[in-house]
Amino acid sequence: QKEVEQNSGPLSVPEGAIASLNCTYSDRGSQSFFWYRQYSGKSPELIMFIYSNGDKEDGRFTAQLNKASQYVSLLIRDSQPSDSATYLCAVNSGGSNYKLTFGKGTLLTVNP
Amino acid sequence: DVKVTQSSRYLVKRTGEKVFLECVQDMDHENMFWYRQDPGLGLRLIYFSYDVKMKEKGDIPEGYSVSREKKERFSLILESASTNQTSMYLCASGVQETQYFGPGTRLLVL
Repeated sequence: QKEVEQNSGPLSVPEGAIASLNCTYSDRGSQSFFWYRQYSGKSPELIMFIYSNGDKEDGRFTAQLNKASQYVSLLIRDSQPSDSATYLCAVNSGGSNYKLTFGKGTLLTVNP
Repeated sequence: DVKVTQSSRYLVKRTGEKVFLECVQDMDHENMFWYRQDPGLGLRLIYFSYDVKMKEKGDIPEGYSVSREKKERFSLILESASTNQTSMYLCASGVQETQYFGPGTRLLVL
């Protein structure tokens, strides 16, 4: 059973701080990794994806991937109250199988 | 912008009714997916389709069926609704492994 684990939180950070969200996965053959943001009562929204080891930056967001440690993280710089949401990590195992395995999400609260 | 729409935002049905949930995407995506999302259980894949008239079971297909007669439309069918199918239903479409979600349908089965 392929698993994706996230700390459920809540993770609470002050406005302007860096929020660090973490995710581990069990399938060593996993090839692509996604972060979604989900506001309460809304559907998940794709923030970014990463395929290669290292960092990928997009505005205030940075995804970090370490395949050897089976670990992917999302850093949010200069956190804003509007970043308060549940963040879902999703993993694809590659090949012709396009299924994603989702973690249960981490609730982030940014305090003004 | 990717546009995925779902036929209803909220739906109330009776036990035993046949329920149709429709999903339409306008990006010519090959792949479409149906999930349900429940507190504490996360997102669980019900069925997916990678081509017209093609379908594959996800992790929890029991009690559900799907139909994909046209590329842009993917329907989820609850053959005989039960109270344990009360949930948020999310449709997604995508290219390869990248998926984009619709707004969701919150279904209550009484």
